[in-house]
This record gives sequence, C-alpha cells and structure tokens, in this order.
Amino acid sequence: DVKVTQSSRYLVKRTGEKVFLECVQDMDHENMFWYRQDPGLGLRLIYFSYDVKMKEKGDIPEGYSVSREKKERFSLILESASTNQTSMYLCASRTGVPGETQYFGPGTRLLVL
Amino acid sequence: EDQVTQSPEALRLQEGESSSLNCSYTVSGLRGLFWYRQDPGKGPEFLFTLYSAGEEKEKERLKATLTKKESFLHITAPKPEDSATYLCAVQAAGSARQLTFGSGTQLTVLP
Repeated sequence: DVKVTQSSRYLVKRTGEKVFLECVQDMDHENMFWYRQDPGLGLRLIYFSYDVKMKEKGDIPEGYSVSREKKERFSLILESASTNQTSMYLCASRTGVPGETQYFGPGTRLLVL
Repeated sequence: EDQVTQSPEALRLQEGESSSLNCSYTVSGLRGLFWYRQDPGKGPEFLFTLYSAGEEKEKERLKATLTKKESFLHITAPKPEDSATYLCAVQAAGSARQLTFGSGTQLTVLP
C-alpha cells in the first residue's frame, strides 16, 4: 500500500518563526511536490523535486524553500513565517513515468499567528 | 497553457439521485487524466486514471469516462458518505513532471 506521510497534522507558529514541514514517501518515487490549498484558490504548486538535491520552482515559491537530501524525504521551509502563509500544505509523490498516479499525504494545517 | 475547468462548483443531491460531474480540459498531448476525492481537512485520495478517449473506469458507485475534451464522473445512487470535493487533474506531454488541477466540485449528498 502506497504511503506518503507528513510530520504534523496541525501546527501553530508565530510570525517570524522558521518552520519546517517534512514529507516522507515509501514508494521510491523520483518526483515529490509541495502544494498549498486555500479556499477558492484550489491547489497551488510551491516547489517540486525530480531527484535528490534537485528542485524546481512551482507557481508560488516566494517565501518558501525546500530541501531534498534523500530520495524519500522532501522538506518545505518557511524561512520567516507570515500570517499569509496560514494554509493547508499538501505533499505528494509520483514516479518519473508519464501518466503514473500521484499520491498525496494527509496534509498539514498551519496557522501563523 | 494547460487548463482544467470543473463544473459545477457545488452540487447537492438527495440520496439515490444520480448525477455527473464535469471536467473540461485543454492540454497539448494528454498523458493522463486523474480523479481524486478529498474529504474536509484531508489530503486528496486517488480514484481513477484515464489515458485515452473512450476509456471508462468504475469503482462502486463511481464511473469515470473520457473524451478528447472532457471527462465525466458519474455517481449512481449516491449515499451521504459520497459527500466530498472531487478534483480532476491532467498531465500533459509538455509538463511531464507536473499535474494541472481543476478547482474541484463540492458534492453534498443529503439523506
């Protein structure tokens, strides 16, 4: 059974704090993704990685960075959290084969006060 | 630019009242069309992948179909537990790594 796990289901942080969100997949997938989901805006891609130490910006990378030191782990970093980063964050992974299914983690709901 | 449009935005059905959700897409070379179900506060759960026009997939009360311009998710005799947001996504030949998502249809099935 495929599995994508995220380090926290809920997080509450203060403005200016550095925030780490971690994602782990056990399917040996090459591609990993970070999205945020907000009411009325749908899923928006922040960053993705197609290999260890490789990353590409998505549609809304500002205010975020990522790290992929191992194939199974992809971290999203908020260098200095702001209230407009309050959102649901979703991690996903997929093989590099076109047309293969993308699997999502359970999500992390982040509240920045 | 790849585009995915889902309609309606929201749909309320009585239990047992069958209906369909629409996903219209514009892509340059379809590699796959994906349907997901998302419950409130959770990550999307994979339902189906369709690859070519004419293809159909079924799972319990759900049936997904695909044409060259759109996909339908047919829900037969829905139950309250089918209430969720249904997301459609496409992978295009020109965007081999990324999916393009629609904004979803929020389905409510009333008992």
